[in-house]
Amino acid sequence: EPEVTQTPSHQVTQMGQEVILRCVPISNHLYFYWYRQILGQKVEFLVSFYNNEISEKSEIFDDQFSVERPDGSNFTLKIRSTKLEDSAMYFCASSRLEAFFGQGTRLTVV
Amino acid sequence: KNEVEQSPQNLTAQEGEFITINCSYSVGISALHWLQQHPGGGIVSLFMLSSGKKKHGRLIATINIQEKHSSLHITASHPRDSAVYICAVSMDSNYQLIWGAGTKLIIKP
Repeated sequence: EPEVTQTPSHQVTQMGQEVILRCVPISNHLYFYWYRQILGQKVEFLVSFYNNEISEKSEIFDDQFSVERPDGSNFTLKIRSTKLEDSAMYFCASSRLEAFFGQGTRLTVV
Repeated sequence: KNEVEQSPQNLTAQEGEFITINCSYSVGISALHWLQQHPGGGIVSLFMLSSGKKKHGRLIATINIQEKHSSLHITASHPRDSAVYICAVSMDSNYQLIWGAGTKLIIKP
């Protein structure tokens, strides 16, 4: 069964450092998404990506965040200068008709 | 603003019981998703519905578009069903999902 793969599963970083979260979507999917879930809170939409550009983004997705599909297979979320409040579980998803989710990357900013 | 409301927030039941989790939303949608989040945090998509009913094993999902309501049922519940079940809706094909707060289900042996 096809699956969305995220790496790393857990990342610890110091405040102010840049992090890159990686996702390998399902190969024939067209839409790609990042969501996050702060511990104990709802899952929140960050950004959607289609045709090599951002199609929607939320208020959370400010200038500290960026996404790329550098090589046609990976889909990355970069946080330029991490803050303590960026600590969360980050989920990648891809879809063609139905969305498939990765297992998430737990980001801990210390 | 579309809100997705789930009930109950927490549910504890005995093994074998029939489980129902409800989801209501406030505007027109293109699809409704039921997802399962395991204790480790990973999310698994259980169903995507735009009308009617779907069944997969012991899981059944129904949706009533007119009433803007969906239910997830688990028959013959088992401790391994213990997880958080999340309802999410999309208003277009862009999958900007709007998420409910989740229902934490505990099935006791």
